[in-house]
Amino acid sequence: QVQLQESGPGLVKPSGTLSLTCAVSGGSIISSNWWSWVRQPPGKGLEWIGEVYHGGDTNYNPSLKNRVTISVDKSKNQFSLKLRSVTAADTAVYYCARTFAYFDCWGQGTLVTVSS
Amino acid sequence: DIQMTQSPSSLSASVGDRVTITCRASLSISSRLNWYQQKPGKVPKLLIYDASSLQSGVPSRFSGSGSGTDFTLTISSLQVEDFATYYCQQSYRTPYTFGQGTKVDIK
Repeated sequence: QVQLQESGPGLVKPSGTLSLTCAVSGGSIISSNWWSWVRQPPGKGLEWIGEVYHGGDTNYNPSLKNRVTISVDKSKNQFSLKLRSVTAADTAVYYCARTFAYFDCWGQGTLVTVSS
Repeated sequence: DIQMTQSPSSLSASVGDRVTITCRASLSISSRLNWYQQKPGKVPKLLIYDASSLQSGVPSRFSGSGSGTDFTLTISSLQVEDFATYYCQQSYRTPYTFGQGTKVDIK
């Protein structure tokens, strides 16, 4: 079955760019579903960041839209998140997830801390 | 954005209890409502999609109902492994939004 694995730096400086990658295994990223990023600040609830289709189409949360880019690399069977101009408020566990409008398969999550 | 409001925010229950959690949407979302379970330090797990469809592998004591703006998640007989936080999520339109969560703990 499909498995997802996030990777990237666990510490990002304020005003820097958060960059994460989600590797898809056990299936192709070229499938009839979207691929999302979801985050969860420590002790808080879940927030959808955005999604990408294998063709490159994207949808973003307007609360983050000016700072976020999600892209897909079909050759590597992975998709990526870039979040610019980060602050302490962006400290969270970041999850990637397979998306059929609901999220049925999740990565293990990676904690990203924004701190100098 | 569509606002999702869960009630209660927390509840205490005993093993064997019937538990009901409510989720209300700020506008009609048809049946585009999903439920997740999250245990501390763990990944959210999809329980119910499209209001009432049980995800594969999820025990039948979990059920969902509702349409429009009002939805419920019911656990027919609470088990030890069900103590967790539950989230609803609307998939009617982007941005997808979640409820604030309902924490179910041991009475």
